[in-house]
Amino acid sequence: DGGITQSPKYLFRKEGQNVTLSCEQNLNHDAMYWYRQDPGQGLRLIYYSQIVNDFQKGDIAEGYSVSREKKESFPLTVTSAQKNPTAFYLCASSEQRAQVRALHFGNGTRLTVT
Amino acid sequence: DQQVKQNSPSLSVQEGRISILNCDYTNSMFDYFLWYKKYPAEGPTFLISISSIKDKNEDGRFTVFLNKSAKHLSLHIVPSQPGDSAVYFCAASANSGYALNFGKGTSLLVTP
Repeated sequence: DGGITQSPKYLFRKEGQNVTLSCEQNLNHDAMYWYRQDPGQGLRLIYYSQIVNDFQKGDIAEGYSVSREKKESFPLTVTSAQKNPTAFYLCASSEQRAQVRALHFGNGTRLTVT
Repeated sequence: DQQVKQNSPSLSVQEGRISILNCDYTNSMFDYFLWYKKYPAEGPTFLISISSIKDKNEDGRFTVFLNKSAKHLSLHIVPSQPGDSAVYFCAASANSGYALNFGKGTSLLVTP
């Protein structure tokens, strides 16, 4: 079955530690995205990548980093510089790089930092 | 600045009745609109979409209406079922856009 796999589903970290969230897709999509969901805030774009070895900042990129070494993979690192890292993180992919018509989402990773 | 707005955080509807979820947008460059449904602890799933060249798109119990002059769209669910209880996100994209812009979501509760 084609889809997007995010792991782990729940992640706990101590403040001051970097943590990497995994996202893998087997849909052969060019574009991949990271969104963050907070209560009452909707989905906010962190980073996106339209092609391998290229990525761009979204609306709330501060305190995050990404890499896109393979088409299938787009890991997100939440660094200690991120002031409010506790959130639900969603990875998505899209066939098209421009004029995005639809996003396919993974089931998310809930990160709790204490 | 929020370019896609869902001003009702929640909505409660009786089973069998119509659910109407509203969405407003400010960016006149948006030309494609989507609705996503999301259950807790899961990723959003695509529900229905509409291009700006249309004013209505229907798929089974779900219909989306677009009023370009008012920069407003709505999702109608009829008849509503308890399984429709979820958070619904409105999203939009522009011709030059690189991602979808999402609203804050409306939590729909369908009661038996």
